[in-house]
Amino acid sequence: DAGVTQSPTHLIKTRGQHVTLRCSPISGHKSVSWYQQVLGQGPQFIFQYYEKEERGRGNFPDRFSARQFPNYSSELNVNALLLGDSALYLCASSLVQGRWTGELFFGEGSRLTVL
Amino acid sequence: TQLLEQSPQFLSIQEGENLTVYCNSSSVFSSLQWYRQEPGEGPVLLVTVVTGGEVKKLKRLTFQFGDARKDSSLHITAAQPGDTGLYLCAGRVSGGGADGLTFGKGTHLIIQP
Repeated sequence: DAGVTQSPTHLIKTRGQHVTLRCSPISGHKSVSWYQQVLGQGPQFIFQYYEKEERGRGNFPDRFSARQFPNYSSELNVNALLLGDSALYLCASSLVQGRWTGELFFGEGSRLTVL
Repeated sequence: TQLLEQSPQFLSIQEGENLTVYCNSSSVFSSLQWYRQEPGEGPVLLVTVVTGGEVKKLKRLTFQFGDARKDSSLHITAAQPGDTGLYLCAGRVSGGGADGLTFGKGTHLIIQP
């Protein structure tokens, strides 16, 4: 079975541009979470979506937005890119049972470089 | 302020040695997880601990959750080069909702042959 797939794997943008990152969860997983991992740091929570609704949001500006589609895939959008947005963006899928979000399965990430 | 403090940040030891890495917080966690991340890949879950004082073993790795559920440790016995990687602890604050995991900054571990 395929794991979590993310695209693109690498991309380069310039300041002020916007970017869309895509994620396909493991088959049967209805929850998708997004994390930002700056070089040398641990991942930082951005969003969680479950059944197409936002279930949690981390401390990120409104330039960051996301959505989940009926097939449970997800997009992360970042507008007005800043140099500090350069990072590895990780998507994770999981099964959800009530309030409990189970084990997170991470994709390999999308490496964004902002020049 | 980092909610989860990991130490040491960097550790380089010889194959066959033992090591312990720590994850500490002033907050109580309903559960705590350890992940390992290799370059160019996403984190992979190693273990989840839920009960204060819980000890779990995974081959040469031993994980412990503190009695007060504020800290955890990972002990590796007879380290091997394949253990090299970034070890991350992550937790959900007790009483929190469905928000995401809080990660520490990680311990970069290098096992030299």
